[in-house]
Amino acid sequence: DIQMTQSPSPLSASVGDTVTITCRASERMTSSLNWYQQKEGRAPKLLIYSTSTLVSGVPSRFSGSGSATDFALIISGLQPEDSATYFCQQSFSVPHTFGQGTKVDI
Amino acid sequence: QVHLEESGPGLVRPSETLSLTCTVSGGSIGDYYWTWIRQTPEKGLEWIGYIFYGRRTKYNPSLESRVTISVDTSKNQFFLSLQSVTAADTAVYFCARLSAANSYFYWGRGALVTVSS
Repeated sequence: DIQMTQSPSPLSASVGDTVTITCRASERMTSSLNWYQQKEGRAPKLLIYSTSTLVSGVPSRFSGSGSATDFALIISGLQPEDSATYFCQQSFSVPHTFGQGTKVDI
Repeated sequence: QVHLEESGPGLVRPSETLSLTCTVSGGSIGDYYWTWIRQTPEKGLEWIGYIFYGRRTKYNPSLESRVTISVDTSKNQFFLSLQSVTAADTAVYFCARLSAANSYFYWGRGALVTVSS
């Protein structure tokens, strides 16, 4: 299995800050790296797929980058509604695996 | 708009079989990978497995000996069966659809299943 390790966890920041959440894979991967936002009691919401493609309707302050084993989710200009837990997920190989999550407190 | 909804018992006794149904509306159940994922505070999000067009299945090796995913295309539903459950199988179970971009855009709201006597 490909292990996905996120950091930091948790993350405390202020409105307007730019924050970066990193995700490291235990093996080299192609671009099948996705990012999700989850709020309490809700299903995960897809934000970014294929490393850097923003889902339609997701604010442009969210962006993704990376390759091989190292990936990042950047939130530029943090908003109060961004308070949530963020997960990376790989679909490069089965079983698909998730990072442990990064809780962002604002 | 595609909508997924999980249903099934919220309480299962240890050693028995957990059975959940995911009902898909707003689109055909054909031509996609239909997936079960579960979440616990201890282990986070865990991929259980998927079924493709009623035939091909892939399971997480950690659960493969106990899990079966099946589909009823006539009812636009797919199913999860997990045998010989223990307290460690207590989780929120989500059904989801794997998109062409290898990501999970559509999710059900989740169903809490507790394993307890």
